[in-house]
Amino acid sequence: RKEVEQDPGPFNVPEGATVAFNCTYSNSASQSFFWYRQDCRKEPKLLMSVYSSGNEDGRFTAQLNRASQYISLLIRDSKLSDSATYLCVVTSGGSYIPTFGRGTSLIVHP
Amino acid sequence: NAGVTQTPKFQVLKTGQSMTLQCAQDMNHEYMSWYRQDPGMGLRLIHYSVGAGITDQGEVPNGYNVSRSTTEDFPLRLLSAAPSQTSVYFCASSYAGTGGTNTQYFGPGTRLTVL
Repeated sequence: RKEVEQDPGPFNVPEGATVAFNCTYSNSASQSFFWYRQDCRKEPKLLMSVYSSGNEDGRFTAQLNRASQYISLLIRDSKLSDSATYLCVVTSGGSYIPTFGRGTSLIVHP
Repeated sequence: NAGVTQTPKFQVLKTGQSMTLQCAQDMNHEYMSWYRQDPGMGLRLIHYSVGAGITDQGEVPNGYNVSRSTTEDFPLRLLSAAPSQTSVYFCASSYAGTGGTNTQYFGPGTRLTVL
């Protein structure tokens, strides 16, 4: 079983839709959680960190469920510019080496 | 700050040739790493370093060498290129901390084709 698993998609949604991605992780000692965004043929960039209490950044909401070992990303009012691949990243306690999921592809269409 | 820079952006090699991919960062990050990204495979860690003079292997190290003589630079050497090394290579850096301090900053990537 891969340490960090994501549904590869693609998720194909119309503009204005709400879409949610989940990511599961296998190491219960995981400590840090992130969502990265990767545009086509570009490098990954940090979208947001995920905190235990959940956090929001504009249209984006991230949540962590330690009991079930998953994190989620909710995107409200989707824009065409949200089309990208979203990578789930987890770092285990005591380590600074991140583990990347394979990513979830989102396509927002007019 | 320039952040993380990589050169070259594109490279075509013939099987058996060697080359070095350059990576530099100006953020005084302790941790640097190299990934390759192939379709459907996600990012796979090749080698990493937690400081000058310290390197270690990642998930897919075979066929690659690294060194870290300075905090800023972390070159990746392909010893004898093979078609299986055709990929996009990303260098990344971060502080070597935990608890949310180790946000990864990526370079723009090198697209390598081995014929």
